[in-house]
Amino acid sequence: NAGVTQTPKFQVLKTGQSMTLQCAQDMNHNSMYWYRQDPGMGLRLIYYSASEGTTDKGEVPNGYNVSRLNKREFSLRLESAAPSQTSVYFCASSEALVFGVETQYFGPGTRLLVL
Amino acid sequence: GNSVTQMEGPVTLSEEAFLTINCTYTATGYPSLFWYVQYPGEGLQLLLKATKADDKGSNKGFEATYRKETTSFHLEKGSVQVSDSAVYFCALSEKNYGQNFVFGPGTRLSVLP
Repeated sequence: NAGVTQTPKFQVLKTGQSMTLQCAQDMNHNSMYWYRQDPGMGLRLIYYSASEGTTDKGEVPNGYNVSRLNKREFSLRLESAAPSQTSVYFCASSEALVFGVETQYFGPGTRLLVL
Repeated sequence: GNSVTQMEGPVTLSEEAFLTINCTYTATGYPSLFWYVQYPGEGLQLLLKATKADDKGSNKGFEATYRKETTSFHLEKGSVQVSDSAVYFCALSEKNYGQNFVFGPGTRLSVLP
């Protein structure tokens, strides 16, 4: 049981390049999330998907797009990378989007450096 | 809006020392409170949680009590081990408030043998 997996683990981009971060979970969870982690700021939600077929913006969605490909997979795309997007990106999943009580399970993270 | 404040550290302790990591929050209603732990090179893992005032969450020797009167959820452990070295995140989630957790900045703990 792998839980939440993310690829790649590390990526270097030049400004203006595009890339897609992949996330998959094998826990049959309905809800999936993308966060970024920056020093001194904790985690901030970029986008989330309450269930297959739906996506919604989080706190910091600008510069990103997402696709909920199926129940297992939730990808994050940077169309034109900027240095401000240098960060560590975490994908998470939870059984259902029940605010206040659900536990989120996190992947190991993708470290992205934009030059 | 909702927010979480916690001591950023780093906190350095000797093995078997007592640990306290302070966490205070601001919320519009009645949130659930969480502590997550991140070991080196890994994602976050839920350590413990409390869903209402005066609840005590506990796991692996760690405890935190939901104090509504002081809007706090301090993490404590009586005797830390080297294996507890990690980054600890306090977080809240408020029912009907929105779609997301709010995380604190994290506190790095280093335990020396």
